[in-house]
Amino acid sequence: AQKVTQAQTEISVVEKEDVTLDCVYETRDTTYYLFWYKQPPSGELVFLIRRNSFDEQNEISGRYSWNFQKSTSSFNFTITASQVVDSAVYFCALTGPYNTDKLIFGTGTRLQVFP
Amino acid sequence: GAGVSQSPSNKVTEKGKDVELRCDPISGHTALYWYRQSLGQGLEFLIYFQGNSAPDKSGLPSDRFSAERTGGSVSTLTIQRTQQEDSAVYLCASSLPGDRGYTFGSGTRLTVV
Repeated sequence: AQKVTQAQTEISVVEKEDVTLDCVYETRDTTYYLFWYKQPPSGELVFLIRRNSFDEQNEISGRYSWNFQKSTSSFNFTITASQVVDSAVYFCALTGPYNTDKLIFGTGTRLQVFP
Repeated sequence: GAGVSQSPSNKVTEKGKDVELRCDPISGHTALYWYRQSLGQGLEFLIYFQGNSAPDKSGLPSDRFSAERTGGSVSTLTIQRTQQEDSAVYLCASSLPGDRGYTFGSGTRLTVV
């Protein structure tokens, strides 16, 4: 069975601090895909990144970076120099290799960035 | 349209009434998902349509919930005899066949009073 765990329910930081959101996953598939989504207060889910299981290169996009480690089944997300606009709920998600596989979400981490 | 469209954006209904929620996916997206997000909770899978295949209904919480997809495009999620615990945001997503780029709609906020 597939499972995504986001142990951090809520994180509060002050602007310009760095913050890391943890994501641990479970799957028996050798091919799988991992995602991060942002859900701002407006409610829509915004796609941030997709990573397949064969690509363990870490990725950086501006202030965002992702650390994928198969050895620990983790796909952590770091925001550098956080800003108030980063305040949102962040979801990690997992799906398998087939078109018919469901997208399984973690319970989300609420990030609050204070000025 | 450019994105996944859901209607209505908000729906308030009385307990016991039936409701229909609509999802219009991105043109050409053959995969369509319904999720439910209760207040402060994560996303709960409800149902998945992929092309002409039989839908995966394994996430529907009870037989009061049903969904259909007409012509491989628009989908309607129906909740019969609504209960207060059905209050949630219902999100729809679509993707291209074989793609893993899921695009979500803005959701329908359902409140059962």
